[in-house]
Amino acid sequence: GQQVMQIPQYQHVQEGEDFTTYCNSSTTLSNIQWYKQRPGGHPVFLIQLVKSGEVKKQKRLTFQFGEAKKNSSLHITATQTTDVGTYFCAESDGNKLVFGAGTILRVKS
Amino acid sequence: GAVVSQHPSWVICKSGTSVKIECRSLDFQATTMFWYRQFPKQSLMLMATSNEGSKATYEQGVEKDKFLINHASLTLSTLTVTSAHPEDSSFYICSARNDLQYFGPGTRLTVL
Repeated sequence: GQQVMQIPQYQHVQEGEDFTTYCNSSTTLSNIQWYKQRPGGHPVFLIQLVKSGEVKKQKRLTFQFGEAKKNSSLHITATQTTDVGTYFCAESDGNKLVFGAGTILRVKS
Repeated sequence: GAVVSQHPSWVICKSGTSVKIECRSLDFQATTMFWYRQFPKQSLMLMATSNEGSKATYEQGVEKDKFLINHASLTLSTLTVTSAHPEDSSFYICSARNDLQYFGPGTRLTVL
């Protein structure tokens, strides 16, 4: 099955700094989804990207889907302590989701 | 958004016993539900796809006789961890598919 690679594994930023996590695939993705999991919690759906080159924004979060549909990124502008958690990308492999390894974000206030 | 519940939220059991975890879609019907396992600081690993009225589809390396899945109705799937051992201790999360996948709050299993 397909596999998405996600980097970095871990990032520790000062509050107010920006943060980016990247997902890459060796094959073309039909779509990519992003989830956030707070410590001790469950994954919460953030967004789905479907179109080549698509860019979507949710307040301080910007999601991009590459032109070749093989990579995606999530960028957070001016991080806040409420942004802490693990961010996962996931791609649909038929009926099921395959998750990237996740990026753990810690924010120092 | 759609709501998925899980019960129990946490369970501690002795080695060799069986534990049943329930996953319910509260406000929609789900012909397909998914069971994931997540070890600390790791990603979610799909264990199996639960199909209403038919057998579950297990991922490679997941023992179907150890992790019994029953999807008896359009709103309920159960995962039973049989003869649990300490290495089965993990965070088990279900999801139900509507237009998107919605995740339950998870069940933390600790096997002593």
